[in-house]
Amino acid sequence: QKEVEQNSGPLSVPEGAIASLNCTYSDRGSQSFFWYRQYSGKSPELIMFIYSNGDKEDGRFTAQLNKASQYVSLLTRDSQPSDSATYLCAVKAQKLVFGQGTRLTINP
Amino acid sequence: GAVVSQHPSRVICKSGTSVKIECRSLDFQATTMFWYRQFPKKSLMLMATSNEGSKATYEQGVEKDKFLINHASLTLSTLTVTSAHPEDSSFYICSSHGRGLTDTQYFGPGTRLTVL
Repeated sequence: QKEVEQNSGPLSVPEGAIASLNCTYSDRGSQSFFWYRQYSGKSPELIMFIYSNGDKEDGRFTAQLNKASQYVSLLTRDSQPSDSATYLCAVKAQKLVFGQGTRLTINP
Repeated sequence: GAVVSQHPSRVICKSGTSVKIECRSLDFQATTMFWYRQFPKKSLMLMATSNEGSKATYEQGVEKDKFLINHASLTLSTLTVTSAHPEDSSFYICSSHGRGLTDTQYFGPGTRLTVL
């Protein structure tokens, strides 16, 4: 079992719709959870971090964490073509571990 | 967030040569930096944790003598790929924690290494 699992996609969402990305993790001792966006050929850029169960909103993004289910998600409202990228979930217990990423395409 | 730079952004070298990649934290002093490698369409894999003034901590399976890390100052860490071979071709990315945010990592722009 991979430590951090994401659906590799690709996930296609129409412009203006909500994009929902999911991530599960295996280490119950994980305390910090991150979502990064990575455009092709570029390095990851931080979108959000979340530490506590529940929802955290920042602009068009909402991160959701459920530690009991070992599940973290990222919702993007009013998706734009510029949101098309690979989204990396990262989870930290002793060290930061990345999922393989979900490729998201927003269709105009 | 933190500002992290890397140099060079792209390097092409012949097999057998050594390549040095620099990672700088521009707006704060970083006692710890991280080096990752990413192969095409794969996720980031932590290679080593670079500690200012002490030896780096390497992840299992990463050759210490192959990937030399030096963190001589609070703003600069270097990764040297020694005797590079085509299988070392990859995207190398460094990161650092932001000031006061010890869990959050901010990434440099990355270095694309191609070994011929």
